[in-house]
This record gives sequence, C-alpha cells and structure tokens, in this order.
Amino acid sequence: AQSVTQLGSHVSVSEGALVLLRCNYSSSVPPYLFWYVQYPNQGLQLLLKYTSAATLVKGINGFEAEFKKSETSFHLTKPSAHMSDAAEYFCAVTGGSNYKLTFGKGTLLTVNP
Amino acid sequence: GAVVSQHPSWVICKSGTSVKIECRSLDFQATTMFWYRQFPKQSLMLMATSNEGSKATYEQGVEKDKFLINHASLTLSTLTVTSAHPEDSSFYICSARGQLAGLKNIQYFGAGTRLSVL
Repeated sequence: AQSVTQLGSHVSVSEGALVLLRCNYSSSVPPYLFWYVQYPNQGLQLLLKYTSAATLVKGINGFEAEFKKSETSFHLTKPSAHMSDAAEYFCAVTGGSNYKLTFGKGTLLTVNP
Repeated sequence: GAVVSQHPSWVICKSGTSVKIECRSLDFQATTMFWYRQFPKQSLMLMATSNEGSKATYEQGVEKDKFLINHASLTLSTLTVTSAHPEDSSFYICSARGQLAGLKNIQYFGAGTRLSVL
C-alpha cells in the first residue's frame, strides 16, 4: 500500500523567494516519485520524477526535488519564485506492477508581487 | 514528446444523455491509460485503468455501467458517461503510460474535460 502526504494545502511566497513544497510518502516497495503541476482548468504537467537513479532530481522551470529515504520525503524546491509558478502542485507515488499513481491532496502555491 | 490529447475540453449536456470523451497518445503507444475524476479544489481520484484490447479495471465504488471505457488501440481510449445526471458533473482527466522503457513508469496527462450536466 502507498500513500502521500503533502504538508500545507496552501503556500504563499513573495516573488523571488524560495519555494518549498513538502511531500512525505509511504510505500511497501521501492517507490517512484513524481511532482506534477496543474494550472486552472488544465491537466497535469510532469515537473520531475525520481526513478531510483540520482536522489537529487532536476526538473523543468527551475524546480528540483531530493529523495530522502531515511525521512521518506521528496520535497520540491525552487530558489526563486516567479509569478508564473502560481498553480496547484501534486506529489505522487507509484511502485506496484500496476503502475497506479497515488496522489497527495495538492498544495496551492500563490506568488505575491 | 509524450503528448496526450483529450477531447472535448468542455461539454455541456442535458440530463439523461450520454457523453463520450476521447483520450489519445499522439506520439507514443500507450500500454495503459487511466481515467481520473477531480472535484473542485481536490486531488485526482482514479476511476479505472484500461489496457489495450482488454476490459477496464474499475476502482471500488465506480459504476462500470455508468462509466464505459473502451481502449480500442494503443493510442486511443474513450470514456462514455451514460445517462449523465447533474451529480456526474466534474473534471475528467485521462493519462497514458508508454510501452518503451523510458516512458513505462510515467503517466502523461491530457488537458482534462469539464463536464456540466444540466
């Protein structure tokens, strides 16, 4: 069984500030972890993925995430927030042979000018 | 690469009618496609998993006779909401998983379909 917990349903930062979105997971098998971004009335866009290679993963739009097995975490960061980063972010885990994704509840990121 | 097209993006229908939503993988062959439902300000809820040429596997609590899924080819899956009612109004999103090693563990998502049933 797998689960994802995203701490903070809403995160607000100033433009240019550090973005940190938290994700903790639970998995009975070695996990694959993902961060997706969703803009209003749109589908999900893959930001980055961890698939058992490097623990520090770089994604699109300047985002990166670090897989920490000891902390069962996969937090998403970006050094400097941009207005266009405002969106809903979902952390997800998969690991079973059926490739089903289990999503967190999402974190809404707002960026203030 | 790895583009998933979903059509229509928005549909309004009368209660009692059926609505078909298409999901296509444009530049890769999709072994498996997934259908999700998303309520406002909530996460995605997996409805069913469909594999090409076989019956879809529905999640617990999802009515298979209400939500008909057909996966006729490696690039096309359809979701038909039969006899739609206002409570079926929602945002439906599909995703596709590729066959090749680089795409196997990743789901690529369509842009979603907003269904409004009057």
